[in-house]
Amino acid sequence: QVQLQESGPGLVKPSETLSLTCTVSGGSISSYYWSWIRQPPGKGLEWIGYIYYSGSTNYNPSLKSRVTISVDTSKNQFSLKLSSVTAADTAVYYCARARLGYYGSGSTYYYYMDVWGKGTTVTVSS
Amino acid sequence: QSVLTQPPSVSAAPGQKVTISCSGSSSNIGNNYVSWYQQLPGTAPKLLIYDNNKRPSGIPDRFSGSKSGTSATLGITGLQTGDEADYYCGTWDSSLSALVFGGGTKLTVL
Repeated sequence: QVQLQESGPGLVKPSETLSLTCTVSGGSISSYYWSWIRQPPGKGLEWIGYIYYSGSTNYNPSLKSRVTISVDTSKNQFSLKLSSVTAADTAVYYCARARLGYYGSGSTYYYYMDVWGKGTTVTVSS
Repeated sequence: QSVLTQPPSVSAAPGQKVTISCSGSSSNIGNNYVSWYQQLPGTAPKLLIYDNNKRPSGIPDRFSGSKSGTSATLGITGLQTGDEADYYCGTWDSSLSALVFGGGTKLTVL
């Protein structure tokens, strides 16, 4: 059974770069899409972006200028970097396996996350 | 302000049925598949429904999903106290080129 585990600093200073890694165990990172989602304290879910195991990415336009998601298939890991952080970036960050695309020749897009990590809390504060 | 609109809270008695609505537009729900997630207190979200109405393995048939036009609905029958959680709908928004979520609905089983 595939399991995901987020890791990284729990405290980041304002203006610095937040860096998190998600380690995939119990299965291969290959042939799947992988997402990052965050949840500010007491608020809802926000999509950050996804990466395909081959390295292609897609980011939330609202975060695109600050986000980089990368993958290391040799380590079965993918990572998130968010630059120039502020207090508004304080949140629980989740990594998840994503299923997305079009079925057959259809035009209806599907995107859902079927396996989630437990999440890691990142606080932005000096 | 979330792109998808959900009621902040719903409640019902044990054993009863509840529905949670998720309203969007033609750029999201109207033309893409909807998924639903359950987030128990202090835990990560869990996939409940995908592709509007499909249940992953292990999800009981007490949970159901439907979609009509630009709205989607999650139904839960035979409510249990263990169903108390936040529920989120999500779908792709073709105009924003982003995965969007509803603001979440807190279910209370009285």
